[in-house]
Amino acid sequence: NAGVTQTPKFQVLKTGQSMTLQCAQDMNHNSMYWYRQDPGMGLRLIYYSASEGTTDKGEVPNGYNVSRLNKREFSLRLESAAPSQTSVYFCASSFDRYNEQFFGPGTRLTVL
Amino acid sequence: AQKITQTQPGMFVQEKEAVTLDCTYDTSDQSYGLFWYKQPSSGEMIFLIYQGSYDEQNATEGRYSLNFQKARKSANLVISASQLGDSAMYFCAMREGPLMNTGFQKLVFGTGTRLLVSP
Repeated sequence: NAGVTQTPKFQVLKTGQSMTLQCAQDMNHNSMYWYRQDPGMGLRLIYYSASEGTTDKGEVPNGYNVSRLNKREFSLRLESAAPSQTSVYFCASSFDRYNEQFFGPGTRLTVL
Repeated sequence: AQKITQTQPGMFVQEKEAVTLDCTYDTSDQSYGLFWYKQPSSGEMIFLIYQGSYDEQNATEGRYSLNFQKARKSANLVISASQLGDSAMYFCAMREGPLMNTGFQKLVFGTGTRLLVSP
């Protein structure tokens, strides 16, 4: 099992460009999440999907959109990137809302 | 207000010694869960241990144990017999109460403690 995979691992964007971060899990998990990690701030939840077909906003959703494509895949889109979105992005999944979350390797995004 | 507080930005320990990483939390919910994650320099987040608010015994997983003191709202991670590979950032997280009316419980993370194990 690959667990949670994310692509790309690194990305540099110019202000105003758009991009989609891809995430997939092969653990048959129902819930999936997107976090961003900034120095000194721990991880903050951007969006989550409690189950296939549902998505909801987390703590810091502004500037992002998500799509739960199917049970395995959960993508995060930046429509118009801003320097404030420079961060490390983690995708995670869990069997359900009560269980521990398993994380992908992260995407390091720089917006110039 | 901070939901999860980790007051130690950095900790040092010698190999083979035990170390305690502090975590205090703030919640008014009766049902909640506490998690510890490890983040090595390679960047991935690794789940270590879980404690439910109704669990009567402290959780243990190999060299990791969780010193859960409910009345004090603390959930400290104890690593016994430290190894060089334990050098990493450690995050405490809490599964908070229902978000809006969905009944979904999100994780809230602390800011982390960097542990350095020396030979």
